[in-house]
Formats: sequence, structure tokens, C-alpha cells
Amino acid sequence: SQTIHQWPATLVQPVGSPLSLECTVEGTSNPNLYWYRQAAGRGLQLLFYSVGIGQISSEVPQNLSASRPQDRQFILSSKKLLLSDSGFYLCAWSNPSGVNIQYFGAGTRLSVL
Amino acid sequence: RKEVEQDPGPFNVPEGATVAFNCTYSNSASQSFFWYRQDCRKEPKLLMSVYSSGNEDGRFTAQLNRASQYISLLIRDSKLSDSATYLCVVNPRGGYQKVTFGTGTKLQVIP
Repeated sequence: SQTIHQWPATLVQPVGSPLSLECTVEGTSNPNLYWYRQAAGRGLQLLFYSVGIGQISSEVPQNLSASRPQDRQFILSSKKLLLSDSGFYLCAWSNPSGVNIQYFGAGTRLSVL
Repeated sequence: RKEVEQDPGPFNVPEGATVAFNCTYSNSASQSFFWYRQDCRKEPKLLMSVYSSGNEDGRFTAQLNRASQYISLLIRDSKLSDSATYLCVVNPRGGYQKVTFGTGTKLQVIP
């Protein structure tokens, strides 16, 4: 069966510090991968998605970036965090064929202070 | 008009009650529809897909109305454990990489 791992679960970072969040998927090949952010009390905002190694589509221009160095690894990064980057970051995967049901990791709760 | 709209609630219902949520979508060409459940401070989890003919999973019934462009979720015999936020999800085109999430409807089941 497929599983998705995301870490760390919580993170407290000072403004201006770098960020690296990692997500890995097991049990499937060539998944679509996604990064979302959910601000407190808000909906899910799609940040990036990827349909293959090295293929990244950005949905929202900001100081975040994403990379997919391996088929089942998706990384979210920032060189300098802003206060507004605080939120709940969720990685998701879906089967590249079919109706695009997305399955989420447990999320990382990021607080930028 | 937003792509997907939901009443944020909260819906406060007593245990055992029946409650229904609607979700409207703007793209008439949308192909696939889902309901997700999100518990407080947790990740969203797929509750059920929504099929054109309507579908049922235990106490949960999902329906699609293409003419009026909305989907619905009916929960019968509400349990305390049903308390969560219910997210409506629309796939604008079958097989397309992105889906659109609604902002969710919060349900609180009261003892």
C-alpha cells in the first residue's frame, strides 16, 4: 500500500532563517506531488505541484521554492522566512492517471517568529 | 464567483440528527467531485467520491446536481466523532493535475 511521510511535524523558526521541508512517498511510482499551505482558519492554498522529477509548477509567487530530486521525494524550501510564511504545510500525492484523488501527509505546523 | 463555495458553518447539531451540507462549483465542465474530512489540526482525509448517480457509504450519502452545479453530503444519525470540517473538492477536468478545495464546512455534534 502507499504511504506518505512528511517531516518535521512542528517547526519554530526565526524570521529570515532558511526552511527545508521534506516529503516522501512509498509504494507508488511517478506520483503527482503537491505542496499546500493552510493558514489558521483558512482553506488549502496550492503552492507547487510536480508531475515528474525536476518538473515543478508554481501556483503562487512568493519566497518559497520546491524541488523534486527523486521520483518520490518533494522538498519545500525558503532562503529567508517571513512572518507570513507561518501556517500548516501539507504534502500530497495522487496517481498520475485517473481522477486525481489526493492523499495527504500528516503536515508540518510552521511558526515563524 | 469562487470556483468552489461552501457555507463555513459551524453547524451545531445534536447526536442522532441528520445534517446536510452543500457545495457549489462554478465550472460546468468539472468532472470529478469528492468530500474530504479534516479533523482539527490534522490533514484532510478522503471521505468519499461523489458519483453522478449518487452514492452512499454507511451513514453518509453524497449527491451531485450538475444542472444546478452543486454537490451535497448528508450525514444521518450524527455521532460525536463526526465533528470535523468537511471539505468539498472539485476536479475541473478529468485527469488534470490540480483540484480545487473548498474552504470547508465545520460540523459540531453536541451530546
